Amino acid sequence: QKEVEQNSGPLSVPEGAIASLNCTYSDRVSQSFFWYRQYSGKSPELIMSIYSNGDKEDGRFTAQLNKASQYVSLLIRDSQPSDSATYLCAAPSRTSGTYKYIFGTGTRLKVLA
Amino acid sequence: DARVTQTPRHKVTEMGQEVTMRCQPILGHNTVFWYRQTMMQGLELLAYFRNRAPLDDSGMPKDRFSAEMPDATLATLKIQPSEPRDSAVYFCASGLFRDNWGETQYFGPGTRLLVL
Repeated sequence: QKEVEQNSGPLSVPEGAIASLNCTYSDRVSQSFFWYRQYSGKSPELIMSIYSNGDKEDGRFTAQLNKASQYVSLLIRDSQPSDSATYLCAAPSRTSGTYKYIFGTGTRLKVLA
Repeated sequence: DARVTQTPRHKVTEMGQEVTMRCQPILGHNTVFWYRQTMMQGLELLAYFRNRAPLDDSGMPKDRFSAEMPDATLATLKIQPSEPRDSAVYFCASGLFRDNWGETQYFGPGTRLLVL
């Protein structure tokens, strides 16, 4: 079982719709989670971080964390064609007392104009 | 505008040659990460340093890869000898570790390596 799993997609949504991206993780002691966006040929850039159960909102983005079920999700409201990218979920996995960041393979999002 | 810089941005080399990639982290950041990204494997952590000390390099093939941080403003990743399977994009990222919540990572533009 992979430590951080994401559906590779592509996830296609029409412009203006809500895009829902999901990520599950295996390390129960993980405390912090990060969503990165990566445009084709570019480097990952941080979208959201979340540490506590529940929702965290930032503009059109909402991160949701459920530690009991070990999943974290990212909602993008009013999706725009410029949101088309690969979204990477990252969670630290504790190894020998140190943190090792594990990235999912990413979900490719396509927003159709 | 603080950002992570990486050189070179592109590198084409022949199998067996040495490759050195350099990274300048954001000033004040105390953690530096090296990642490799391929279509097949996604983003893989190769090694990371905190306060210039190597904390984890378990993701790195030890026989040919080496990572160092000679000072706080420079991190290097070397491959010797290089092989075609090393062809990938290599990213450096830096962050500021404060507590057990971890750190937000800021990625450099990457080095695109092609080994022929």
